[in-house]
Amino acid sequence: NAGVTQTPKFQVLKTGQSMTLQCAQDMNHEYMSWYRQDPGMGLRLIHYSVGAGITDQGEVPNGYNVSRSTTEDFPLRLLSAAPSQTSVYFCASSYVSGGNSPLHFGNGTRLTVT
Amino acid sequence: GESVGLHLPTLSVQEGDNSIINCAYSNSASDYFIWYKQESGKGPQFIIDIRSNMDKRQGQRVTVLLNKTVKHLSLQIAATQPGDSAVYFCAENYTGGFKTIFGAGTRLFVKA
Repeated sequence: NAGVTQTPKFQVLKTGQSMTLQCAQDMNHEYMSWYRQDPGMGLRLIHYSVGAGITDQGEVPNGYNVSRSTTEDFPLRLLSAAPSQTSVYFCASSYVSGGNSPLHFGNGTRLTVT
Repeated sequence: GESVGLHLPTLSVQEGDNSIINCAYSNSASDYFIWYKQESGKGPQFIIDIRSNMDKRQGQRVTVLLNKTVKHLSLQIAATQPGDSAVYFCAENYTGGFKTIFGAGTRLFVKA
């Protein structure tokens, strides 16, 4: 099984550009989420989804949009990139929502905004 | 080990020794706790979890201890190996909750 797949692995953007980070899982997990990881810090939740058609905000949602049209895919959109969004982004999924099962992570997208 | 700012606390142990990594959690309502291991260039990987109705849970070479009175979690790794070198995160959630919250992490360095 591929698990959670994130693309691209690396991306460089100029301030003001937009882009979409892709995330797909093949485990039929109902819950998916996006985290960002900054140096020396833990992971901070950006957005999450408890099923197709349902999304909600996490701790740091500003500047990001998400949608969940299928169970498998959960893309993260940066509308107008800013240097403060330079980070490593991780997508994660779990079998059930409601805080009762561990997250499965992709290997991340390293984003630099200049 | 909790950390503030840019510098992760680091635990350095000799190969073959036992390691103990500590974590203080913040939400009294949390009832589900997870430990993750993150190797360089990879996403966090699930190690072991524990629910609040337990004080201790053992896996293969790992044990998690939960002290709800002082909101403290620890991960014990027996006979630490070089492959255990990584950053370890504790995380918390609660039944019905949709936001798993992570601690800042502890870097484990194993000396051969």
